[in-house]
Amino acid sequence: DTGVSQDPRHKITKRGQNVTFRCDPISEHNRLYWYRQTLGQGPEFLTYFQNEAQLEKSRLLSDRFSAERPKGSFSTLEIQRTEQGDSAMYLCASSFGLAGAYEQYFGPGTRLTVT
Amino acid sequence: AQSVAQPEDQVNVAEGNPLTVKCTYSVSGNPYLFWYVQYPNRGLQFLLKYITGDNLVKGSYGFEAEFNKSQTSFHLKKPSALVSDSALYFCAVFGGFKTIFGAGTRLFVKA
Repeated sequence: DTGVSQDPRHKITKRGQNVTFRCDPISEHNRLYWYRQTLGQGPEFLTYFQNEAQLEKSRLLSDRFSAERPKGSFSTLEIQRTEQGDSAMYLCASSFGLAGAYEQYFGPGTRLTVT
Repeated sequence: AQSVAQPEDQVNVAEGNPLTVKCTYSVSGNPYLFWYVQYPNRGLQFLLKYITGDNLVKGSYGFEAEFNKSQTSFHLKKPSALVSDSALYFCAVFGGFKTIFGAGTRLFVKA
């Protein structure tokens, strides 16, 4: 299967700990997106990369969140000093092309629970 | 700033009847509009998109959507609903370098 994969699928952590999630996009896709989804809501944009460059980051995103995409392949999303409000499903998506006209392919998500 | 509204939290329809899931949008410039579906325990899947051209676009699983510029709407439709269409549907608009999703509409198709 050559779809978008995310690891881990589930993460339970204690408040104050750091967590890191990984996303492997579809290999030929140059755009990669991170979203956060809470129950009853649509995906909320966090950030996106075009190749290895992080081109946009949500102004709502705390400085505790950071993302990287070294070499334009896989990406990691790190949350430092987690808070209970960070509990959510974190989605990764990838797409092809240089504009927003292309559909995104989503991974299964990483469900984060902060206790 | 761009935004998407899905006015119905849930839509109930009987199998075999036509269905409509509503979406309105606000964006500066020409809109790029999308519909995605989320089945239980599965990731979001692309259904269809409007970029330019014909106002009626066709997508996966027999779904179609009608772009109406004057009403800033992009309603999702299907002539005959199936029980297997029961899922969560998201409308999305691309603008300002990012995609904004609506809150979602849960479609329930009763046999």
